[in-house]
Amino acid sequence: NAGVTQTPKFQVLKTGQSMTLQCAQDMNHEYMSWYRQDPGMGLRLIHYSVGAGITDQGEVPNGYNVSRSTTEDFPLRLLSAAPSQTSVYFCASKPDRGLGYTFGSGTRLTVV
Amino acid sequence: AQSVTQPDIHITVSEGASLELRCNYSYGATPYLFWYVQSPGQGLQLLLKYFSGDTLVQGIKGFEAEFKRSQSSFNLRKPSVHWSDAAEYFCAVGADTGNQFYFGTGTSLTVIP
Repeated sequence: NAGVTQTPKFQVLKTGQSMTLQCAQDMNHEYMSWYRQDPGMGLRLIHYSVGAGITDQGEVPNGYNVSRSTTEDFPLRLLSAAPSQTSVYFCASKPDRGLGYTFGSGTRLTVV
Repeated sequence: AQSVTQPDIHITVSEGASLELRCNYSYGATPYLFWYVQSPGQGLQLLLKYFSGDTLVQGIKGFEAEFKRSQSSFNLRKPSVHWSDAAEYFCAVGADTGNQFYFGTGTSLTVIP
């Protein structure tokens, strides 16, 4: 049981480049979310999904896109990277009832 | 509005001393409460959770937390801190179902020998 798997662990992008952060979970969880973590600001919700085919915006969605074609996968796309998107990104999943979120190990992204 | 407040940004304790990290929440429904720990360079790991019943809950690594509804608090405690407990600690509140989940901004714990 791998839990929540994020790839890559580290990435450096140039301003304007695009990329996709991958997230996969093998726990058959309905909910999946993407957070970014910045110093002094805790975790901020970017986008979330309540099931395959259903996504919605969180607190800081601008500059990011998501899709959820399967229960397992929830990729996060940066369309045109900006230095303000330098952050640590966490994917997390949870079942509908109870428990809490299970987190991936994170992707540290630097945009230069 | 739903929110979680961790009033202490940073705490320093000596190894072997007791620890209490504060968490206050504002939530319109029955709260489900969580504490997570994040070691440097790692993801968040669930320490413990409170859903209902006994207001004192035990978690992993010797941590416990007490839910006090009258004070809207869910403080995390440990009787004797170990150097390996140095990390960032996050309190969170959510509903029993659905995606509502709110994190505090975290408390950074330093342990000195």
